[in-house]
Amino acid sequence: AQTVTQSQPEMSVQEAETVTLSCTYDTSESDYYLFWYKQPPSRQMILVIRQEAYKQQNATENRFSVNFQKAAKSFSLKISDSQLGDAAMYFCAYNYGGSQGNLIFGKGTKLSVKP
Amino acid sequence: ETGVTQSPTHLIKTRGQQVTLRCSSQSGHNTVSWYQQALGQGPQFIFQYYREEENGRGNFPPRFSGLQFPNYSSELNVNALELDDSALYLCASSLEPGLVKNIQYFGAGTRLSVL
Repeated sequence: AQTVTQSQPEMSVQEAETVTLSCTYDTSESDYYLFWYKQPPSRQMILVIRQEAYKQQNATENRFSVNFQKAAKSFSLKISDSQLGDAAMYFCAYNYGGSQGNLIFGKGTKLSVKP
Repeated sequence: ETGVTQSPTHLIKTRGQQVTLRCSSQSGHNTVSWYQQALGQGPQFIFQYYREEENGRGNFPPRFSGLQFPNYSSELNVNALELDDSALYLCASSLEPGLVKNIQYFGAGTRLSVL
């Protein structure tokens, strides 16, 4: 069974600094996508970044980038120049497609940003 | 904003009652997935609807049921409510299921409290 593990329940970063959130996953599939979603207090899940397993190049979206290590089944999120608005729950998620394509989520990491 | 709307935002029920939650999907999306997010946890997949048919179910009992309408909006029904059903219920819409690259766009959820 596919599983997603986030080992950091809480993280804290100083404004303008860089923070890395960790995620590991377990799967026997070869074609899949990995996602980082942000859930602010407003509750709406917002897609931050996604990575296709077949792409060796790490995905980047502005201040957000990932370190995807396929062999190690590791998918970490780096947030550069942290801003107060980055404070939220961050969820790592996995999708292998199949007939449904439902997302499998980790338990999340709560990120606090200190001014 | 993702274009996915859920109603109501919050409701309170008592044990044994029945509840219906609603979701309007993003324009052009024909697939709706429902997730349950217990406090302090990541979302868990309940089921998915594609073109008005159930297209897969997670590990949830039959008292969790759903519908999808011709306009692709959806309902989640829960019968015989239990205290453990208290959670945030998230709806996500997407294009064709089973495509790994598909992004799921989430609504802001319905917070259900069972007393």
